[in-house]
Amino acid sequence: DTAVSQTPKYLVTQMGNDKSIKCEQNLGHDTMYWYKQDSKKFLKIMFSYNNKELIINETVPNRFSPKSPDKAHLNLHINSLELGDSAVYFCASSQERGLGNTIYFGEGSWLTVV
Amino acid sequence: AQTVTQSQPEMSVQEAETVTLSCTYDTSESDYYLFWYKQPPSRQMILVIRQEAYKQQNATENRFSVNFQKAAKSFSLKISDSQLGDAAMYFCAYRAGLNYKLTFGKGTLLTVNP
Repeated sequence: DTAVSQTPKYLVTQMGNDKSIKCEQNLGHDTMYWYKQDSKKFLKIMFSYNNKELIINETVPNRFSPKSPDKAHLNLHINSLELGDSAVYFCASSQERGLGNTIYFGEGSWLTVV
Repeated sequence: AQTVTQSQPEMSVQEAETVTLSCTYDTSESDYYLFWYKQPPSRQMILVIRQEAYKQQNATENRFSVNFQKAAKSFSLKISDSQLGDAAMYFCAYRAGLNYKLTFGKGTLLTVNP
């Protein structure tokens, strides 16, 4: 069973479109994250939710809007897509917010904006 | 601000040999964790090893061990008896602070030569 699953895995879309990436975790974790990995492989956190409450928002354009309907889901909606949004987006989760708790990552969603 | 620096963009090692990947970090926190993550071509982020700042003993996981030098803010990863399956991008990461944000270095691409 996949612990953290994201859909879609690949997405090619045109500039200006609106798209969503869905994430679900079946680990019973209460903290979820979105990370962005750019073309140079640099990984940077975008958002973090704990018990459906937003706790990290890292200077991400407001075209990006995360939504957590429940603890097991954290979706990412992107409005008015731009070329620079092309990247791999990783969803992740961890048990509570302990410093040493393992963060489990999904397989990534590869977004290409043309 | 906390930063994580990996000074080796690429490294290579012969199969069965030992290789060390470097990582330094900058922090003013006293309580933090350090991690090494592996990202193979499949893009999946896999936790390799973790180290708590308060523990003086270096962490070990099978063929993977760390050399944690707290005063020097250094956290290197040693891979012994390298295997072809070790070929991947390796990310050093740091976690601390009230929001427990995980901050990554830029990664080191490890090639294992047969």
